[in-house]
Amino acid sequence: DAGVIQSPRHEVTEMGQEVTLRCKPISGHNSLFWYRQTMMRGLELLIYFNNNVPIDDSGMPEDRFSAKMPNASFSTLKIQPSEPRDSAVYFCASRPGGGAASYEQYFGPGTRLTVT
Amino acid sequence: SQKIEQNSEALNIQEGKTATLTCNYTNYSPAYLQWYRQDPGRGPVFLLLIRENEKEKRKERLKVTFDTTLKQSLFHITASQPADSATYLCATYNQGGKLIFGQGTELSVKP
Repeated sequence: DAGVIQSPRHEVTEMGQEVTLRCKPISGHNSLFWYRQTMMRGLELLIYFNNNVPIDDSGMPEDRFSAKMPNASFSTLKIQPSEPRDSAVYFCASRPGGGAASYEQYFGPGTRLTVT
Repeated sequence: SQKIEQNSEALNIQEGKTATLTCNYTNYSPAYLQWYRQDPGRGPVFLLLIRENEKEKRKERLKVTFDTTLKQSLFHITASQPADSATYLCATYNQGGKLIFGQGTELSVKP
């Protein structure tokens, strides 16, 4: 298995531009998570999906952030418009079980976003 | 709300020694704790899970303990090697079902 796949690996954009991050979870996994990691705040959960349905988006910082999961093998995280404070590494992770299970999460390599 | 606290100071040890990392939680006792390893430029990788009714869990050179009285988990790497150098993250699910992480502790093993 190729693991969780994220693209692009690096993104540099100017303030005000739209940014779209992409994720392909591990086949067969029911849950998908989007995280943001910064030095100041560490690893923060933004949103997670169970069976393609958004369950909790309370971690999404603002209306500028949106996420979709149109099918079991693809998800996007969009920032529109982007701001310099959005600069961070964004991780996608997937997990085999849904609900409050004890399964570990499998992380992708991350997308390093820089907004100038 | 539940918080996970890890020592933010880097831990530097000599090769062959045992590294011990600490994870403290502030609120209710979680049903289980997870430990992850993160290398620079990569995503976290799951290492071990320990349940609240397990005092200790082992995997090769790794050992995790869970003390609900102290609200603490300890992560040990015995016979440490330079390849063990990385950041180690402690995590648990909060009551809302979200996996929350500590800030991580950076371990550096010198040859």
